[in-house]
Amino acid sequence: DADVTQTPRNRITKTGKRIMLECSQTKGHDRMYWYRQDPGLGLRLIYYSFDVKDINKGEISDGYSVSRQAQAKFSLSLESAIPNQTALYFCATARGVRKSTDTQYFGPGTRLTVL
Amino acid sequence: QQPVQSPQAVILREGEDAVINCSSSKALYSVHWYRQKHGEAPVFLMILLKGGEQKGHEKISASFNEKKQQSSLYLTASQLSYSGTYFCGIAKAYGQNFVFGPGTRLSVLP
Repeated sequence: DADVTQTPRNRITKTGKRIMLECSQTKGHDRMYWYRQDPGLGLRLIYYSFDVKDINKGEISDGYSVSRQAQAKFSLSLESAIPNQTALYFCATARGVRKSTDTQYFGPGTRLTVL
Repeated sequence: QQPVQSPQAVILREGEDAVINCSSSKALYSVHWYRQKHGEAPVFLMILLKGGEQKGHEKISASFNEKKQQSSLYLTASQLSYSGTYFCGIAKAYGQNFVFGPGTRLSVLP
């Protein structure tokens, strides 16, 4: 079984709809991240969390919110989806407390299309 | 600030070598390299730390030039399996998240 799973894997939605992307991990890692990937822009950080009580904004958090329901679960919500949020979304986990050096392990991604 | 990667894309024949560069406008603490194959998640290759040694992973190695604020990824005797997009991620100081570059797409042809 995969260590980091994301659901759904693909989603098509309409402008204005609320949507939630979910991430679960069995690695026992404390840190979890949400990134979005757009062609030519690489991976950009949306939110990250060190534990259930710690949520931090990344470089592109506007229009997104997150919830850390448990150590193993981290959800990303788009309250009112818009077409420029069409992208590939990745969840990632990391073990320790050293943000600058710990390896990140990525989930398989969720392809979101907003019409 | 996002690092700059060059080239944006490179096409090689099997057995050829390639170099991918990752540059920052400010001093670097750590550089991470990840590879993403088409349709898959990024996978960690290696990390280089300020003051650390050159790292290697099979026929893929990397260096960290603190003076130039740059890291280079060296792919030797490329194999078909090396095809994918290579991302560097940089952290400017201990305790900071790293920021990914835009990626370099590498295609290895038979």
